[in-house]
Formats: sequence, structure tokens, C-alpha cells
Amino acid sequence: GAGVSQTPSNKVTEKGKYVELRCDPISGHTALYWYRQSLGQGPEFLIYFQGTGAADDSGLPNDRFFAVRPEGSVSTLKIQRTERGDSAVYLCASSLTGKETQYFGPGTRLLVL
Amino acid sequence: EDQVTQSPEALRLQEGESSSLNCSYTVSGLRGLFWYRQDPGKGPEFLFTLYSAGEEKEKERLKATLTKKESFLHITAPKPEDSATYLCAVRTYNNNDMRFGAGTRLTVKP
Repeated sequence: GAGVSQTPSNKVTEKGKYVELRCDPISGHTALYWYRQSLGQGPEFLIYFQGTGAADDSGLPNDRFFAVRPEGSVSTLKIQRTERGDSAVYLCASSLTGKETQYFGPGTRLLVL
Repeated sequence: EDQVTQSPEALRLQEGESSSLNCSYTVSGLRGLFWYRQDPGKGPEFLFTLYSAGEEKEKERLKATLTKKESFLHITAPKPEDSATYLCAVRTYNNNDMRFGAGTRLTVKP
């Protein structure tokens, strides 16, 4: 079946601009996670959704970052006033409710110039 | 604070040369330990979940083991296509996320 998909695969933007990154989870998965991965590092947790609500947003670095999941399926990660330090790969993962295994998408590579 | 440390950072093997990757962890209340494989430019691909000390899981040339302080990923007679970064992650009863190590970059030369 279809896995987790993310769009765009690459995004280049200028400092100060607004960007949106999209995640389509595996069908039927109610849990959705966003991570950020810098070069040479493991993924770092940003936010976790259970259904439509953000159950844990403790990993969001500051209030420029925001994520939504209005219908409990597709999620959008929004970054305002982008900074060069936001450049990274943004990964989305999903899992069944109560299941531990998280399945990752291919990621969106964000470059802020 | 929960910590996950992987070693070595990089490992170069000849095809057929077996070895092990290490993942040491310090967490309160381990809920599960996960191994993922990540190819360049791609997202992590799930390999194994281990839940309790003494547990072992195998898949082709890979075998994962778990103790109370660390996990090993044993690679038997590796092939060039096993070249990738191998990530270890832990999940605890206190957190919703997975805490990842920095990974081991494995290169298998023919």
C-alpha cells in the first residue's frame, strides 16, 4: 500500500519568507509526527498529533513554527519568518493508534537563503 | 535526561566482513527501542522494534539484540547494498516522541 508522502520534496526560500510543508500519512493511521533532521544528526521531534489535535508540541523550537491537521489526515507544517538556521530536512511519520512503529516519509529538504 | 549514543560514527567494512553497531541508552522507563536504516536523500526505513532485555530480532543479514543498557545491530557477511546510515531510537513511557541517536554511517566495499 501507499506509504507516507511529503510535498514538496525540496523547497528553497529566502530569509524572512513563509513556507508550508505537507504530509500525507498512511491511510488509517491516526497518529502523526513531525521531526527535523540536520546534516549528520538523527531526527529531532517537533510535534505529535492524535487525530486532529496536537497532543504534544513540546519540540517546536519557537512560535514561528506551527502545524495543523484539520481533518485528522493530512498535516501541514508552517514556518513563518524563516531563518537560515531553519534549513534542514523535515520528516513526517505516522503510526496506528497505540502502535509503536512509526513509518517515515521521504522528507522535505528546506533551504533558507 | 534521556540519551541515546551510537558508535562508531562511521564504519567501513569489506564485503563479507561481519561486525556490530552499538546503541547505548539512558532513559527512564523504556517503552521500546527501534532500529531504522536511512539511505542518502531518503526517510528512515523501519527495521526492528525491541521491547525487553534479552529480546532478539532477525532480518536477512541483520540481527538486533537488547540489554538493559544497550542494543547491538549485528551485520553478518554484509554486501555493498547494506551501505547506509543506521539509526537507533528509544521511546519511553513519559514521552510521545522517539529520541534518536546520531546514527552510524556504514560503508561496505566490494
